[in-house]
Amino acid sequence: ILNVEQSPQSLHVQEGDSTNFTCSFPSSNFYALHWYRWETAKSPEALFVMTLNGDEKKKGRISATLNTKEGYSYLYIKGSQPEDSATYLCAFRKELTGGGNKLTFGTGTQLKVEL
Amino acid sequence: EAGVAQSPRYKIIEKRQSVAFWCNPISGHATLYWYQQILGQGPKLLIQFQNNGVVDDSQLPKDRFSAERLKGVDSTLKIQPAKLEDSAVYLCASSFPSRIYEQYFGPGTRLTVT
Repeated sequence: ILNVEQSPQSLHVQEGDSTNFTCSFPSSNFYALHWYRWETAKSPEALFVMTLNGDEKKKGRISATLNTKEGYSYLYIKGSQPEDSATYLCAFRKELTGGGNKLTFGTGTQLKVEL
Repeated sequence: EAGVAQSPRYKIIEKRQSVAFWCNPISGHATLYWYQQILGQGPKLLIQFQNNGVVDDSQLPKDRFSAERLKGVDSTLKIQPAKLEDSAVYLCASSFPSRIYEQYFGPGTRLTVT
C-alpha cells in the first residue's frame, strides 16, 4: 500500500494570508506528482503535473515545488482569496515494474478562506 | 469542449438496494476511470478502461461492483447490493491514452446508503 500523506488536513485562513500545504510520497519509483483543486459540487481540476526533482510550477497566485529525493511537494497560495476555498489533492504517480504507472491520491487539504 | 458528464449527481438508497451510475467521457478519450472517494480519504481507483477493455480492476470489489463500457464510449458502474460503507463520491475521469497526465474529471455522484 502506497502512503501519500497530506498536511494539514484542514486550514482556515483570512483573506490576504499566504499559506502552504505539504504532500509526502514514497521516494522510490517516482514517475510524476499531480496537484488538483476540488471545489465543492464541482469537478476536480488539474493544477500542476511535476516530473523532475527541483521542478517549480506557477499558476497565478499558486505555485508548487517538488523534491523527489526526499519525497515531498509543497503547494503555496499567495494572498488567499475566498475563491481559493477548496480541497487540494496531491496524487503520486508510481512507475510500475514491467511498465505502466499507477496514480495514488492523498487525503487532501481542505482550505477555507474567510473574509 | 464539453467536459466529463456524470449522472445522477446525488443518490440516496437503502442498504441491499442496487444503484447504477453513468459516465460520458470527453469525446475521443479512449481511457476511462472510475474512482471512489470515501469521506476523509483520497479518491481510490476502482477500474480503468482502455476503449471497451479493462486495464486495471484490482481494487474493484467484484462481489458487488460491476462496470462496463460496451461501445468504448460511455460507461456504467453498478453496485448490487449496496452496503453502508459504499457511501462515497464516485468520480469518473477520462484521458487520451498517450496523455495520461491530462486526466479530466466529472463532477461525481454522491451516494448515500442508509
